[in-house]
Amino acid sequence: EIVMTQSPATLSVSPGERATLSCRASQSVSSNLAWYQQKPGQAPRLLIYGASTRATGIPARFSASGSGTEFTLTISSLQSEDFAVYYCQQYNNWPLTFGGGIKVDIK
Amino acid sequence: EVQLVESGGGLVQPGGSLRLSCAASGFTFSSYWMHWVRQVPGKGLVWVSRIKTDGSDTRYADSVKGRFTISRDNAKNTLYLQMNSLRVEDTAMYYCARETAVPGTYYEDYWGQGTLVTVSS
Repeated sequence: EIVMTQSPATLSVSPGERATLSCRASQSVSSNLAWYQQKPGQAPRLLIYGASTRATGIPARFSASGSGTEFTLTISSLQSEDFAVYYCQQYNNWPLTFGGGIKVDIK
Repeated sequence: EVQLVESGGGLVQPGGSLRLSCAASGFTFSSYWMHWVRQVPGKGLVWVSRIKTDGSDTRYADSVKGRFTISRDNAKNTLYLQMNSLRVEDTAMYYCARETAVPGTYYEDYWGQGTLVTVSS
């Protein structure tokens, strides 16, 4: 099973600032990586697939990069609605596995 | 608009059974592979199971293999998860999710709001 490790566990950011979230895979997942956003009491929402492609309706302030084992999600200028938990997921191997999540909260 | 609405969760004793349902609308259900993913409150996401468009191919996480059965009724646009021999560690919010239609990829592009399963004596 591929282990996905996200860091840091919590990221405190001021509105308008940039946030950089990291995700590491225990073995190569190529570009088969997705990012999800989850707000309290809500279902996860797909942000990114293919390591760098924004899903439908996702604002351009969300960008992502990486391949192999190292991945990054960047939120260029945090808006109030972006404070949430972010998960990465690999879909290169079964079982599909998620990282432990990064909570982005208000500084 | 894609909608996935789960139901069937509740409180069950260890060793008991429960069947979850997920009603789909806003897309051609029979054309999409579907997943179940669970989340212990306050914890991360864990993939549980996947089923092919016609139900002929299924896959499970090791933790539920032999105890859970995924199925679907395309005439009713409904996905199911039959959960038997439930354990305390199965307590979680259970989400149904649609798999992307992008060939050769398996991420989930739409999720329901979840149904809570609590296994406790």
